[in-house]
Amino acid sequence: AQTVTQSQPEMSVQEAETVTLSCTYDTSENNYYLFWYKQPPSRQMILVIRQEAYKQQNATENRFSVNFQKAAKSFSLKISDSQLGDTAMYFCAFMKQRTQGGSEKLVFGKGTKLTVNP
Amino acid sequence: DTAVSQTPKYLVTQMGNDKSIKCEQNLGHDTMYWYKQDSKKFLKIMFSYNNKELIINETVPNRFSPKSPDKAHLNLHINSLELGDSAVYFCASTLMYTGELFFGEGSRLTVL
Repeated sequence: AQTVTQSQPEMSVQEAETVTLSCTYDTSENNYYLFWYKQPPSRQMILVIRQEAYKQQNATENRFSVNFQKAAKSFSLKISDSQLGDTAMYFCAFMKQRTQGGSEKLVFGKGTKLTVNP
Repeated sequence: DTAVSQTPKYLVTQMGNDKSIKCEQNLGHDTMYWYKQDSKKFLKIMFSYNNKELIINETVPNRFSPKSPDKAHLNLHINSLELGDSAVYFCASTLMYTGELFFGEGSRLTVL
């Protein structure tokens, strides 16, 4: 079974600075997706960034980028120029690629609570 | 034009009651899910349906019964509610093989 580990329960950063959230995962699969979701106090689950395991290039979405190390099974999220609105829970998640007749589900880490201070 | 919508958003009820949460998606997706987020914010899958067929059924008490009348709807019925059922329940949907889930806003259930 796949597991996702986020070793930082809480982090804080000053506005405009850069912060990196860690995530490691364990799987024997070769084809899968990795995600970072953001959950602000409104509780909506918002997709921040998505990485396909077969792609060597790290995904980037504006101020958000990942460092995907497939051999090390590591998938960290870097937030540049942090903004107050980035304050939220951040969840790392894994999903194996569906095969014929199979199923796919997101497996989540326990989350990292990020606070951006003014 | 909400993509994945859940009703109700908030539900407060007494122990022992039966309640339902409804979910609808207008994205044309073929797979829908129920996830439970507990008080520690941990998200765990409960069920998944693909084209009205149950394909994932995690270890969930049989007091929880999902129903999918069509591929755009997935409802969750809970019998004999217990204190430990208090949580936020998220519905999500995806199109098979795209690897991207869309979540509803969550339904916060409080059992007193």
